[in-house]
Amino acid sequence: DVKVTQSSRYLVKRTGEKVFLECVQDMDHENMFWYRQDPGLGLRLIYFSYDVKMKEKGDIPEGYSVSREKKERFSLILESASTNQTSMYLCASGTVRYEQYFGPGTRLTVT
Amino acid sequence: AQRVTQPEKLLSVFKGAPVELKCNYSYSGSPELFWYVQYSRQRLQLLLRHISRESIKGFTADLNKGETSFHLKKPFAQEEDSAMYYCALSPGPGGSEKLVFGKGTKLTVNP
Repeated sequence: DVKVTQSSRYLVKRTGEKVFLECVQDMDHENMFWYRQDPGLGLRLIYFSYDVKMKEKGDIPEGYSVSREKKERFSLILESASTNQTSMYLCASGTVRYEQYFGPGTRLTVT
Repeated sequence: AQRVTQPEKLLSVFKGAPVELKCNYSYSGSPELFWYVQYSRQRLQLLLRHISRESIKGFTADLNKGETSFHLKKPFAQEEDSAMYYCALSPGPGGSEKLVFGKGTKLTVNP
């Protein structure tokens, strides 16, 4: 069974804080993805990585950065959290052609 | 530009009734289409993809290239089908690894 785990289910941070969201997969997938999920807006791709140290911007990369130092781990970084980054963040691994496996999500609240 | 449209935010049917969740897309090439589902308090997961032409949990979806649609259908809805459904598009072989999601349809099956 594919396992994609995320470091936190719920996170509360203050405006201006640096926030790290971690994602780990155990299926040796090349590709990993970060999305944010908002009611009425669906899933929007923030960044994805197709190999270690490789990354590509998604549709809404502004205010975010990522790090992929090891194949199994993909981190999303909010350099200076803002209230409009309050959202559900989903990590996924796999391929777009066959299946992406999603983590349970991290609900981030920025106050 | 690739776009996926799910015209209904909310859809409510009674148990045993047929259900159809609409999905339209815009893409100039030959895309691959998917339906993902998220049950309450569960992670997002793949329901079906058009290339495999399979039926999962009684759901089917046919890719209609003429109408650029990929509607999800089930002849007899069950209460456990209540969930959030997302249609998604991939550019296909040789294309980007980005998966484009629609905004989702929340299906409620009433007893």
